[in-house]
Amino acid sequence: EAGVVQSPRYKIIEKKQPVAFWCNPISGHNTLYWYRQNLGQGPELLIRYENEEAVDDSQLPKDRFSAERLKGVDSTLKIQPAELGDSAVYLCASRGRDTEAFFGQGTRLTVV
Amino acid sequence: GDSVTQMEGPVTLSEEAFLTINCTYTATGYPSLFWYVQYPGEGLQLLLKATKADDKGSNKGFEATYRKETTSFHLEKGSVQVSDSAVYFCALSSYGNKLVFGAGTILRVKS
Repeated sequence: EAGVVQSPRYKIIEKKQPVAFWCNPISGHNTLYWYRQNLGQGPELLIRYENEEAVDDSQLPKDRFSAERLKGVDSTLKIQPAELGDSAVYLCASRGRDTEAFFGQGTRLTVV
Repeated sequence: GDSVTQMEGPVTLSEEAFLTINCTYTATGYPSLFWYVQYPGEGLQLLLKATKADDKGSNKGFEATYRKETTSFHLEKGSVQVSDSAVYFCALSSYGNKLVFGAGTILRVKS
């Protein structure tokens, strides 16, 4: 069974530029999470989807961050414009009914 | 709100030493508790879990017991190996599918 797939693995952009991350969850998993992990810290939730509905986006900086999950499957997370402080690893995870969360490899973003 | 507190690292041990990483939590209701591990260059993966009070989760020689009275879920291993060097995250899942992580504890095992 394929795991959670994220792309790209690495991204370097200049500040004020836009960037997008893509996540393909495990087939059949209704719950999808986006986390941000700063160096030396634990993952912090940005947004959680149940199917196509965003049910917890209280920590998402909505002035520059946006996310969507079309048809309740794949998801994209966008930052526009990026700031230096957005440099981090962005993690996607999915979870099925009565299972634990499975994580992708993450996208390491560097804003210069 | 829900939160997880882990002991700060890094924790440095010699091979075959006993490991304890403390984890306490604050949550409404009765959360499920998890330990995730992140090996160098890899993604987060589940190490073990417990879904109700007094449950013991175990995997790869690691154990943790869900203690409701002390709101704790400490990770233990009797004899660590160099290959156990990684970052360990305690996490809880409460209402719905909310999933909250601690800050992580770096473990370094020397040969």
